[in-house]
Amino acid sequence: NAGVTQTPKFQVLKTGQSMTLQCAQDMNHNSMYWYRQDPGMGLRLIYYSASEGTTDKGEVPNGYNVSRLNKREFSLRLESAAPSQTSVYFCASSETGHSYEQYFGPGTRLTVT
Amino acid sequence: SQQGEEDPQALSIQEGENATMNCSYKTSINNLQWYRQNSGRGLVHLILIRSNEREKHSGRLRVTLDTSKKSSSLLITASRAADTASYFCATAGSNDYKLSFGAGTTVTVRA
Repeated sequence: NAGVTQTPKFQVLKTGQSMTLQCAQDMNHNSMYWYRQDPGMGLRLIYYSASEGTTDKGEVPNGYNVSRLNKREFSLRLESAAPSQTSVYFCASSETGHSYEQYFGPGTRLTVT
Repeated sequence: SQQGEEDPQALSIQEGENATMNCSYKTSINNLQWYRQNSGRGLVHLILIRSNEREKHSGRLRVTLDTSKKSSSLLITASRAADTASYFCATAGSNDYKLSFGAGTTVTVRA
């Protein structure tokens, strides 16, 4: 059981470049999430997917798009990267509903120059 | 906006001592969860306490919840060097199961 996996682990982009962060989980969870973590701050929700085929905006969705490819995979795309998107990105998954813990991937450290 | 706020921002203790950190939140919740993050790693779930519970234990962890004060505390007893990490509280709203995280407390346990 790998849990939640993310690729890549590190990435450096130039302003204006695009890229897709990949996330996969093998726990058969319905819900998946993308967060960003900036120094001195907690995690902020970018997008989430309550179940396969649905996606919704979180607290900071601007500049990002997501795709719930199937039940296992949830990708995050930056169409035109900006320095403000320099951050550590975490994917998580959980059962849907209250009272369920979230399982996190190891993170992707992204730098936009 | 972030729902939870942890206090203190940073804490340094000697091995064997207890560590206490607090979390305050603004709106009604269904449950409150605590997570640990070791440097450079993802978050790991520690404990969940529901809004109708007042206290919960898990190993060396003790969590309390006071919904009238909209606050929670996490106590780690007999700390070890391996407890060095950042600790985050996260709240799930009454009508929304998404989690809202605080900025975290960084705990350093000195040998």
